[in-house]
Amino acid sequence: EVQLAESGGDLVQPGGSLRLSCSASGFTFSNYAMYWVRQGPGKGLEYVSGISTHGGSTYYADSVRGRFTISRDNSKNALYLEMSSLRTEDTAVYYCVKDRILFTSGWCYDHWGQGTPVTVSS
Amino acid sequence: DIVMTQSPDSLAVSLGERATINCKSSQSILYSPNNKNYLAWYQQKPGQPPKLLFYWASTRESGVPDRFSGSGSGTDFTLTINSLQAEDVAVYYCQQYFSTPQVTFGPGTKVEIK
Repeated sequence: EVQLAESGGDLVQPGGSLRLSCSASGFTFSNYAMYWVRQGPGKGLEYVSGISTHGGSTYYADSVRGRFTISRDNSKNALYLEMSSLRTEDTAVYYCVKDRILFTSGWCYDHWGQGTPVTVSS
Repeated sequence: DIVMTQSPDSLAVSLGERATINCKSSQSILYSPNNKNYLAWYQQKPGQPPKLLFYWASTRESGVPDRFSGSGSGTDFTLTINSLQAEDVAVYYCQQYFSTPQVTFGPGTKVEIK
């Protein structure tokens, strides 16, 4: 069974930094592109960032480019999101998400974690 | 970026009746070389993460009940729930993955029981 477990969400002040982690199990992690998708309070879904199977390609939404960094450690079955210069509008639940397609970035998400909440407030 | 819109914002349907949700993209998400529409549907129940229902607009994900169906092509798509059940109460989102990496979601449609 595929399991994705996020951690690291917290209350942080504007301008601060935070590192989210996602521990994956139940599938061959290194064979799938992975993503972060967020959902603001009472809001819809927003793609944040993606990374290819071996980390050679990374992608970002315009709203976070230059502030967030996605990475992965295939030896640990782990996905990360380093967030800096945080803004109040970054407040959201952050989901770790798995691609549906093997070996390539298909951008369609077949498994989601439960999410970790990030609150940016003074 | 491709803008996704959904209608209605919410709907209330009686148990056993049909629910129809529309999704429209600001430009075609049909890729002619493979004749596939790069459109997915997700269901998000209260307090839960989203769940994939359909990809390629009409291909049902494993385990999704067949009372759910997806249709449409180009810019106009529909998610239909035949014979609505209590467990179908949720917010439904469409997503385009044609224009990557800037994939976009619709704003969601909330389905409730009348």
